[in-house]
Amino acid sequence: DTAVSQTPKYLVTQMGNDKSIKCEQNLGHDTMYWYKQDSKKFLKIMFSYNNKELIINETVPNRFSPKSPDKAHLNLHINSLELGDSAVYFCASSQDQGGLGTDTQYFGPGTRLTVL
Amino acid sequence: AQKVTQAQTEISVVEKEDVTLDCVYETRDTTYYLFWYKQPPSGELVFLIRRNSFDEQNEISGRYSWNFQKSTSSFNFTITASQVVDSAVYFCALSEAYTNAGKSTFGDGTTLTVKP
Repeated sequence: DTAVSQTPKYLVTQMGNDKSIKCEQNLGHDTMYWYKQDSKKFLKIMFSYNNKELIINETVPNRFSPKSPDKAHLNLHINSLELGDSAVYFCASSQDQGGLGTDTQYFGPGTRLTVL
Repeated sequence: AQKVTQAQTEISVVEKEDVTLDCVYETRDTTYYLFWYKQPPSGELVFLIRRNSFDEQNEISGRYSWNFQKSTSSFNFTITASQVVDSAVYFCALSEAYTNAGKSTFGDGTTLTVKP
C-alpha cells in the first residue's frame, strides 16, 4: 500500500498550458505539503495545508493554486505554465495536528514536470 | 531566520570507508526539530531520522549514526563501512516550533557517491 501517492509521475506539456498534479495520502495525517525541487536538487516548500486549511504559502506565484477537498488529498493546479516551472514536485504529509511542520514528513514519489 | 547549511556539495568514497556528512543550522527558537532524508537515484525522498532540540543523545541505527551538538549547532550524519547502495543525495532539514512554524527548511543536499 502506497502511503503518499502522486499522479502523474511524469508530465510533459507546452508553455501556456494549464495542468494539475494530484496527491493522496492514506496515513490519516492532518497536514499535507507541496515542495518544488529544481534541477540543482534544491528543495523548497511551496504550500502546506492542515485539515483542508491553507497554513503556508511561500510566495509562490498565484498561477499555482493548491486545493484540498479533504484532508487526505492535496492537489496542485498550475495555470499558464512557464519554462521555469520545470521541476520535480513532491507532495508530503505529516501527522502534525497543528500544522507546525515539526513532525516527520512522508513524501510521495514526485512528479517530474517538463515545460517545453 | 532558520537556515541549514550543508557545506559539502559532493563527497566520493570507496566502499567500506566511513563518511561523515555535515549539517550546520541556525535558529533562534529554543524548540526545534532536525531531520535527515535520503534521496537515492530513483528519486524518492526517504526519511532517516528526526531529533528534537531537547534530546542531544547521539543515535545509532545499524551503519548510520548521528551526532547532535547544540554547542556548535550541528547535526552530523556518519555512515560506517559505506556501501554502493548508500549513494544518494542526503538532505538535512530544520523545523522551528514557533518562529517559522510550518516551514521546514532543507539544506542544499550532499551528493554521496560510493564507488565499489
